[in-house]
Amino acid sequence: EIVLTQSPATLSLSPGERATLSCRASQSVSSYLVWYQQKPGQAPRLLIYDASNRATGIPARFSGSGSGTDFTLTISSLEPEDFAVYYCQHLRTFGGGTKVEIK
Amino acid sequence: EVQLVESGGGLVQPGGSLRLSCAASGFTFNTYSMNWVRQAPGKGLEWVSYISSSRTTIYYADSVKGRFTISRDNAKNSLYLQMNSLRDEDTALYYCASGRYWEQGFDYWGQGTLVTVSS
Repeated sequence: EIVLTQSPATLSLSPGERATLSCRASQSVSSYLVWYQQKPGQAPRLLIYDASNRATGIPARFSGSGSGTDFTLTISSLEPEDFAVYYCQHLRTFGGGTKVEIK
Repeated sequence: EVQLVESGGGLVQPGGSLRLSCAASGFTFNTYSMNWVRQAPGKGLEWVSYISSSRTTIYYADSVKGRFTISRDNAKNSLYLQMNSLRDEDTALYYCASGRYWEQGFDYWGQGTLVTVSS
């Protein structure tokens, strides 16, 4: 079974800074890697699918990259509404999440 | 507007049963695969079960296999999760989530229904 490891667990940044989140798979998942954002009290929201494609309505400051076992979600310039928890997913497996918090 | 509305959660004793429902609207339900995903209080996301659009393919997480049964009624635009032999560790917010292709993630999510297993 594939394991997804996200790092760091917590990222402390200021608005306007660049955020780089990592998701590593225990074996190749090709490009079948998805990213979600979840805010407190809300359901997750799909951000990125197929590793690098933005979902409908997702701002261009969110970008995804990678293939095989190493993936990155980048937020180019953090807006106040971007502080949240981010999860990666491949089929039946979710990563443990990265919390992006205000420094 | 796409809507997924879960219901059926509540407080149940260990060993008990519950049936969750998810009513879908605003999209062509019978062309989308459906999933149940849960989140224990303060924890991350855990995928629970998958059912294909035509009901021909079903998967379960090892943690619920043999105890939970997923089903859908495309005529009623509804998804179900029958949960038997409930354990303390099944306590979580249960979301239904849909995606046209499983590998491309879940476009739509409900607001969740809370299941609490406790004596």
